[in-house]
Amino acid sequence: QKEVEQNSGPLSVPEGAIASLNCTYSDRGSQSFFWYRQYSGKSPELIMFIYSNGDKEDGRFTAQLNKASQYVSLLIRDSQPSDSATYLCAVTGGYQKVTFGIGTKLQVIP
Amino acid sequence: EAQVTQNPRYLITVTGKKLTVTCSQNMNHEYMSWYRQDPGLGLRQIYYSMNVEVTDKGDVPEGYKVSRKEKRNFPLILESPSPNQTSLYFCASGFSRGDEQFFGPGTRLTVL
Repeated sequence: QKEVEQNSGPLSVPEGAIASLNCTYSDRGSQSFFWYRQYSGKSPELIMFIYSNGDKEDGRFTAQLNKASQYVSLLIRDSQPSDSATYLCAVTGGYQKVTFGIGTKLQVIP
Repeated sequence: EAQVTQNPRYLITVTGKKLTVTCSQNMNHEYMSWYRQDPGLGLRQIYYSMNVEVTDKGDVPEGYKVSRKEKRNFPLILESPSPNQTSLYFCASGFSRGDEQFFGPGTRLTVL
């Protein structure tokens, strides 16, 4: 079992819809959870982080964390073509080691 | 401007020819790290450094060396590159190991 699992996609959504990206992790002691966005040929950039169970909203983005079920998700409301990118889930586990998922490719169709 | 810089951005080399990829950050970060990114495998950590003169292996350290003589610099050294080291390399830095990481622009390396 991989430490951090994501569906590689592509996930295709129409413009204006809600995109839902999911990530599961294996280390039950994980403390910090990050979502990075990576445009093709570019470097990852942080868009959200979450530490506590529940939802955290920032503009059109909402991160959701459920530690009991060991999953973290990212919702993008009113998806725009400019949101088309690969979204990387990163989880901080034991010894503060950050492990990245392989990323989910999102395509927003105009 | 706060940033992580890497050089070169693109490099084509031949098997066995030693090379160094430089990385520098201007954010006074304690933590620095090197990753390689390959299709279907995601970001994998090569080496990391918690502070000056403190380095440790990541998940895929074979064939690589690093040094941290100054806080701002963290070069990646390939003593004898091989074709399986063809990849996209990212340097990253952060305040601590488990914190948000700031990535450099990437170095695309091809070893023939």
